[in-house]
Amino acid sequence: EADIYQTPRYLVIGTGKKITLECSQTMGHDKMYWYQQDPGMELHLIHYSYGVNSTEKGDLSSESTVSRIRTEHFPLTLESARPSHTSQYLCASAADRESGEQYFGPGTRLTVT
Amino acid sequence: AQSVAQPEDQVNVAEGNPLTVKCTYSVSGNPYLFWYVQYPNRGLQFLLKYITGDNLVKGSYGFEAEFNKSQTSFHLKKPSALVSDSALYFCAVRDMRNFNKFYFGSGTKLNVKP
Repeated sequence: EADIYQTPRYLVIGTGKKITLECSQTMGHDKMYWYQQDPGMELHLIHYSYGVNSTEKGDLSSESTVSRIRTEHFPLTLESARPSHTSQYLCASAADRESGEQYFGPGTRLTVT
Repeated sequence: AQSVAQPEDQVNVAEGNPLTVKCTYSVSGNPYLFWYVQYPNRGLQFLLKYITGDNLVKGSYGFEAEFNKSQTSFHLKKPSALVSDSALYFCAVRDMRNFNKFYFGSGTKLNVKP
């Protein structure tokens, strides 16, 4: 079992609220990722990070922001939640090896009412 | 564009029978291909990968996958399915122009019936 954690696991929140989804890993991986996944559907990359102080946007347009101040921590923030943000958010990390298989957290299921 | 496709939304198989979950890819150059499994209310777990070398790759839980360059396929297989194999399976390919990015297929739900 990979050592990557996400909190909260489930979150129901009202429109307009600011929220932060937490992701931490204890494997010392440089690369970290955030994906958005509707239930049973494909994953869409929304943000990734090469290492501390480096972040990039993924392919899916997102109103969220991320930060990478410490290697082990990669939080995702929504400044103003909307119902369209309702989804599952998966965090992953990967070692800086050529093959790069990813280790995923359990996910945060977000519902915006 | 680099992508993978999983043509089947769902695969049904009886316990003890062989199973195949299909994946085709579209990349420039030699692909790095992966299979992941997702159990309900869980994140994805890495199963196996193809980087180079032998076209038949063995992974976790008795799964294997065969890389076929001429058919641009990377099908996941298991000789004898278990009920506990029932889950959602994702094929993924690494972006060969930006190694930090991966593209996932739409997923295939595997149902193994007793």
